[in-house]
Amino acid sequence: TQLLEQSPQFLSIQEGENLTVYCNSSSVFSSLQWYRQEPGEGPVLLVTVVTGGEVKKLKRLTFQFGDARKDSSLHITAAQPGDTGLYLCAGRQGAQKLVFGQGTRLTINP
Amino acid sequence: DSGVTQTPKHLITATGQRVTLRCSPRSGDLSVYWYQQSLDQGLQFLIQYYNGEERAKGNILERFSAQQFPDLHSELNLSSLELGDSALYFCASSPTVSGNYGYTFGSGTRLTVV
Repeated sequence: TQLLEQSPQFLSIQEGENLTVYCNSSSVFSSLQWYRQEPGEGPVLLVTVVTGGEVKKLKRLTFQFGDARKDSSLHITAAQPGDTGLYLCAGRQGAQKLVFGQGTRLTINP
Repeated sequence: DSGVTQTPKHLITATGQRVTLRCSPRSGDLSVYWYQQSLDQGLQFLIQYYNGEERAKGNILERFSAQQFPDLHSELNLSSLELGDSALYFCASSPTVSGNYGYTFGSGTRLTVV
């Protein structure tokens, strides 16, 4: 059983469309992070959210942490081919190690 | 370049053999984490070291072991290899074990067991 469930697992859309990726859990996290991984590389940190209800924006990417700190979403506006990759959410409980979701494999078609 | 160095990048070996994967953390980071990534399992936490001491263990098999040396580099030893051990193995580092620091990942070692 995965502690963090990501949906959808796969998403293929056209350039210019908007999309939302979800990361859900029944557990509470002290913080949640989003990473992007490209083929042949390790995951790269995009953002850390700490406070329930927090919203962070990174250019066309908007990250939200749920009020109860059990879930998070990533919204991409006007997707571009360069956004293609594996998006991973990861949660931390206290001082424990990060636990990763299964990932959402995103493909943006030109 | 993330600052975390993993070697080798690729490794092909036969079943039953033993291999050692090496990781040098980003300068200044004291904590090292090892993860296994396979297609159907996602990123699975194996083990964590902080300043030379083991701090947390995940679902690491008894055939696997690791250590962190005084210069903070870490090695993951995989023995009696099986076909199912084929995967990407990532090392990550962070400054400490607490706080909300992100992990800095290396580029991984792709292990293929034949």
